[in-house]
Amino acid sequence: KAGVTQTPRYLIKTRGQQVTLSCSPISGHRSVSWYQQTPGQGLQFLFEYFSETQRNKGNFPGRFSGRQFSNSRSEMNVSTLELGDSALYLCASSLLGRTITDTQYFGPGTRLTVL
Amino acid sequence: GENVEQHPSTLSVQEGDSAVIKCTYSDSASNYFPWYKQELGKRPQLIIDIRSNVGEKKDQRIAVTLNKTAKHFSLHITETQPEDSAVYFCAASRTGNQFYFGTGTSLTVIP
Repeated sequence: KAGVTQTPRYLIKTRGQQVTLSCSPISGHRSVSWYQQTPGQGLQFLFEYFSETQRNKGNFPGRFSGRQFSNSRSEMNVSTLELGDSALYLCASSLLGRTITDTQYFGPGTRLTVL
Repeated sequence: GENVEQHPSTLSVQEGDSAVIKCTYSDSASNYFPWYKQELGKRPQLIIDIRSNVGEKKDQRIAVTLNKTAKHFSLHITETQPEDSAVYFCAASRTGNQFYFGTGTSLTVIP
């Protein structure tokens, strides 16, 4: 079974621009979560989608948004980029997003650099 | 919200020795605790997890223990090998769809 995939793998943008990142979950997985990983803050939860609905959201500004499509693929958008948005953005998928039965698997990440 | 603390931040051990990483959590409703290993430049990989209805789980050289009363859980790696060198993250969740991570432990196994 193919793993979680993310595109693009690397991005360089300038302040003020916007960016869209894409995540394709493992086939059959319907829950997709997004995380920001930085050396200083570690892994921080952005949001989670299930059946095209955002179920949970972390403490990030409204510049960070996402969506999920009917095939469970998800996109994350960051508008008005700031230098501090430079990070590795990871998505993770699980079957249903429930602790009783599910395991979360990560994608390789998109390395975003804001200049 | 949940707060997960992880110690130590760095750990060096001699090959063959054991390594122990500890995490504490604040939300007593958390019931799922995975551990991830992240090698340099790679994605986090699940290495072991434990749910709150058990106190210990083992998988070959890796074990995790959970103390619900004290709200802490630990990762134990025995007979460490150089390929165990990586950053290890603990996490906690009460829903299965929102995870809180520790800040990571950089483990170095010295040959």
